[in-house]
Amino acid sequence: AQSVTQPDIHITVSEGASLELRCNYSYGATPYLFWYVQSPGQGLQLLLKYFSGDTLVQGIKGFEAEFKRSQSSFNLRKPSVHWSDAAEYFCAVQAPYSGGGADGLTFGKGTHLIIQP
Amino acid sequence: NAGVTQTPKFQVLKTGQSMTLQCAQDMNHEYMSWYRQDPGMGLRLIHYSVGAGITDQGEVPNGYNVSRSTTEDFPLRLLSAAPSQTSVYFCASRYGQGGGYTFGSGTRLTVV
Repeated sequence: AQSVTQPDIHITVSEGASLELRCNYSYGATPYLFWYVQSPGQGLQLLLKYFSGDTLVQGIKGFEAEFKRSQSSFNLRKPSVHWSDAAEYFCAVQAPYSGGGADGLTFGKGTHLIIQP
Repeated sequence: NAGVTQTPKFQVLKTGQSMTLQCAQDMNHEYMSWYRQDPGMGLRLIHYSVGAGITDQGEVPNGYNVSRSTTEDFPLRLLSAAPSQTSVYFCASRYGQGGGYTFGSGTRLTVV
């Protein structure tokens, strides 16, 4: 069974500082990889996704993520955070397409990002 | 284009009552799925559908039923609500391979 680990439950970053949120996955092959953001009381918004190809993926709101196959990781980064980035961040995986059958996402437990002024 | 619409937004049930959480999408997406979100647990997959008439169980299906009679709608039924089903429920849909999931705004359910 696939699983996703986000080692950091909470991270505090000063506004303007750089950010890296960690994500490790366990799966027999390379899954499809996603990062979502959730603001309080809101639904989930897709930041970026990786299916194949270039291992550095650009997303919305200035975020990027790098897929490292050797480390089974898909870490999210941002060069300079803004107070509006304070939210819950979820890493998720999906089994690659196999001609039908299983679907759905497996999520990590999330990282709560706090921005200090 | 409304995306994924979930109703109701809030609901309080008594133990043993039944109800249906509604999910509708207007993007002609093939794939739909239901998740529950509990504090410290992330989101967990309840049921999913890969097309009209086709559904299957996810990680935490017990106590929930689904059906998919149309492409647009994917309701989630609680037959006999239990306090353990107190949670926030999200519905999501995607078009096909290569598509990310679009999520609804959620239904906050409390079972007393």
